[in-house]
Amino acid sequence: EPEVTQTPSHQVTQMGQEVILRCVPISNHLYFYWYRQILGQKVEFLVSFYNNEISEKSEIFDDQFSVERPDGSNFTLKIRSTKLEDSAMYFCASQRDRGITEAFFGQGTRLTVV
Amino acid sequence: AQKVTQAQTEISVVEKEDVTLDCVYETRDTTYYLFWYKQPPSGELVFLIRRNSFDEQNEISGRYSWNFQKSTSSFNFTITASQVVDSAVYFCALAPNSGYSTLTFGKGTMLLVSP
Repeated sequence: EPEVTQTPSHQVTQMGQEVILRCVPISNHLYFYWYRQILGQKVEFLVSFYNNEISEKSEIFDDQFSVERPDGSNFTLKIRSTKLEDSAMYFCASQRDRGITEAFFGQGTRLTVV
Repeated sequence: AQKVTQAQTEISVVEKEDVTLDCVYETRDTTYYLFWYKQPPSGELVFLIRRNSFDEQNEISGRYSWNFQKSTSSFNFTITASQVVDSAVYFCALAPNSGYSTLTFGKGTMLLVSP
């Protein structure tokens, strides 16, 4: 069964460093998302991406964050200068089409900023 | 603005008990979608069900059932004859009918099923 794959599963980085979280969505999906979950809290929407551009973003998704789909396969989330409060589980999700089908989530990347 | 409230932070039951997880939502949209996701201790989010606002028919899938009541803006989830493997955090979520599936999640309910 096709699945969304995220790498790495866990990343530790020093405050102020740049990190790139990678996701390979399901191959025939057209809509892509990043969500985050701070430990013990709810899952929060960060950004949605369609047709090679951001379609929607939340207040959390400030200038420190960026997304791109560099090669038509990977979908990446970059955090330019990490802060302690960026420590969270980051989930990538993809969705097949414009109708409301379910979003399939990856296993998540746990980011720890020290 | 959309909001999902899961008032139960944690529920503990003994195996084989039935348990209902509550979800109440707020939205100004006339059409929308409701979801339940399961997050086991391993951390991934597992899709359980999607329901659109036009379809108030209750659904049953094995030991799982869902009760959608538009009049009370609730979408409750019942597990019948719970099992230890059901132990997880369960999230209710809401999406607008805008063509984008931007999910608003509740805070989740942790279900602990003991043997």
